[in-house]
Amino acid sequence: DAKTTQPNSMESNEEEPVHLPCNHSTISGTDYIHWYRQLPSQGPEYVIHGLTSNVNNRMASLAIAEDRKSSTLILHRATLRDAAVYYCILRAPNNAGNMLTFGGGTRLMVKP
Amino acid sequence: SQTIHQWPATLVQPVGSPLSLECTVEGTSNPNLYWYRQAAGRGLQLLFYSVGIGQISSEVPQNLSASRPQDRQFILSSKKLLLSDSGFYLCAWVEQGGNQPQHFGDGTRLSIL
Repeated sequence: DAKTTQPNSMESNEEEPVHLPCNHSTISGTDYIHWYRQLPSQGPEYVIHGLTSNVNNRMASLAIAEDRKSSTLILHRATLRDAAVYYCILRAPNNAGNMLTFGGGTRLMVKP
Repeated sequence: SQTIHQWPATLVQPVGSPLSLECTVEGTSNPNLYWYRQAAGRGLQLLFYSVGIGQISSEVPQNLSASRPQDRQFILSSKKLLLSDSGFYLCAWVEQGGNQPQHFGDGTRLSIL
């Protein structure tokens, strides 16, 4: 799977929107962009994924650049509970084991 | 609905002792199963995955082994633990095929003394 680059950490204020960037300049045409987050002392949880079009769900929105070389995870109103490490992962559809390769992620800190 | 159970939640073991961590999944059949390890302050490292009963793929050479004796049971073992085996061990499952998300258990925090 191609590599992703994310900032090590970001800060946000509670109840404000948060934009978490991810660069994936070597993405292939069939790679899906997945986001997971890991709260302290817990296993990761799935947030959202997309291929080309922007995606929305109850947790977040995913904005994908037209050239697909970058994407942004948007939390519309950050809460203290959103403080976590956010991982941006590319997954190839022919990945036989459906594996995920985790990088370092972005540690999001939310200030009250 | 599907659930994943991992136990124990925490474990303290002496160097050289054996290990057995168990993971079970309910509410699905023929899932892919995974074991990850996360060292303190680090990212997740995939250790093993399985696409079916008795089928184990190892991603990194190590002191650990995995087994899948039943469709929804995945076991992580070691005959003799090393200090470097300390970490947070996570089990995960995913439905086979397509682009389904992985679902993780709550993890086992293993400390080796």
